[in-house]
Amino acid sequence: QSVLTQPPSASGTPGQRVTISCSGSSSNIGSNYVYWYQQLPGTAPKLLIYRSNQRSSGVPDRFSGSKSGTSASLAISGLRSEDEADYYCAGWDDSLKWVFGGGTKVTVL
Amino acid sequence: EVQLLESGGGLVQPGGSLRLSCAASGFTFNDYAMSWVRQAPGEGLQWVSGISGSGGGTYYADSVKGRFTISRDNSKNTLYLQMNSLRAEDTAVYYCAKDYRYYYDSYGYVDYWGQGTLVTVSS
Repeated sequence: QSVLTQPPSASGTPGQRVTISCSGSSSNIGSNYVYWYQQLPGTAPKLLIYRSNQRSSGVPDRFSGSKSGTSASLAISGLRSEDEADYYCAGWDDSLKWVFGGGTKVTVL
Repeated sequence: EVQLLESGGGLVQPGGSLRLSCAASGFTFNDYAMSWVRQAPGEGLQWVSGISGSGGGTYYADSVKGRFTISRDNSKNTLYLQMNSLRAEDTAVYYCAKDYRYYYDSYGYVDYWGQGTLVTVSS
């Protein structure tokens, strides 16, 4: 069971906006930054969003991150077929460890 | 270009040992903290261990504490994970990951990942 909670799946048609939530606690999201990683099928994860809302180099501005209290979200606007992947939220926990969400599989219908 | 190349994975019996290596290139290795993150088949990501740039600070997930040891040889640009007393639930792809900064703390984060090496624990 993951420390951070994400919905297992999300979907949308091309061009739509999809939002993925990530829920934590005061010891992780509530007091530290949130990070988002994209994992395309059969590949290693790739950093998408750092420090809650900063896009990593080369990441399209269709991807955006936000954080409020002990929750965070990743939004994908203008959904494209190449966005079909697993998305993971992550963050530092004050117990001196990294924690991940269980991952959300995004399907483009 | 940052490159992280893991090796050392394979099939091992329960109770056995294995040492993973990660050869790093494309950056000044001793300037950055490093991590190991694993992914069981069909499952999500799980942080395993982390180490500061000097190797003086090491951190472990509760599930591997006392069984796994992370270390680094900055003269060889190589990260290691010694895994002892392996269990079936340790079966996973193990990723080597570079941190954004030297210290292993709340201000850092993983910015690059290797391609992973598969460890299978089975009799």
